[in-house]
Amino acid sequence: AQRVTQPEKLLSVFKGAPVELKCNYSYSGSPELFWYVQYSRQRLQLLLRHISRESIKGFTADLNKGETSFHLKKPFAQEEDSAMYYCALYTGRRALTFGSGTRLQVQP
Amino acid sequence: DSGVTQTPKHLITATGQRVTLRCSPRSGDLSVYWYQQSLDQGLQFLIQYYNGEERAKGNILERFSAQQFPDLHSELNLSSLELGDSALYFCASSGERALWDEQFFGPGTRLTVL
Repeated sequence: AQRVTQPEKLLSVFKGAPVELKCNYSYSGSPELFWYVQYSRQRLQLLLRHISRESIKGFTADLNKGETSFHLKKPFAQEEDSAMYYCALYTGRRALTFGSGTRLQVQP
Repeated sequence: DSGVTQTPKHLITATGQRVTLRCSPRSGDLSVYWYQQSLDQGLQFLIQYYNGEERAKGNILERFSAQQFPDLHSELNLSSLELGDSALYFCASSGERALWDEQFFGPGTRLTVL
């Protein structure tokens, strides 16, 4: 069965520090992975998807099939990055399997 | 607001009761998804409807049911409620113009079962 693991419930960094939010998945098929973000008092929204290979708000994520990981990275964290981040796996049934989420706290 | 809307925002009820959560998708979106977010389980996919028909089922309990109406709004019915059903219930919609279309989420309905 498919599974997404985000090992850290909370990640606290200082402004300007690098950020890495970890995500590991298990899925027997070819995975499509996403990062969703929920800012305070806002809706859950798509941040980026691996097939786009894009950088959004300075964040990037590389799919590593060997390590079954899709970690989210940003070289210099900003206070406005503070939010809840969810890694999600699309399994071809048009539904998403989400990880339990990591709260990122960027301190001034 | 042309985004996904959900009503009510909050719902407090007692064990054994039945409630109905409502979701209106974004204009033009045919697919509606329901997710449950609880403290210990994270975000879990419950069920998906596409243009009125059930398309995919996740970890939805038999006490729960859903439907999508001709105007494409959807309702999630939760019956014989238990304390453990207390959670945030999200609805999302997508257009399905591609193999995978971005899902847009509503603000959620917070259900508290006392």
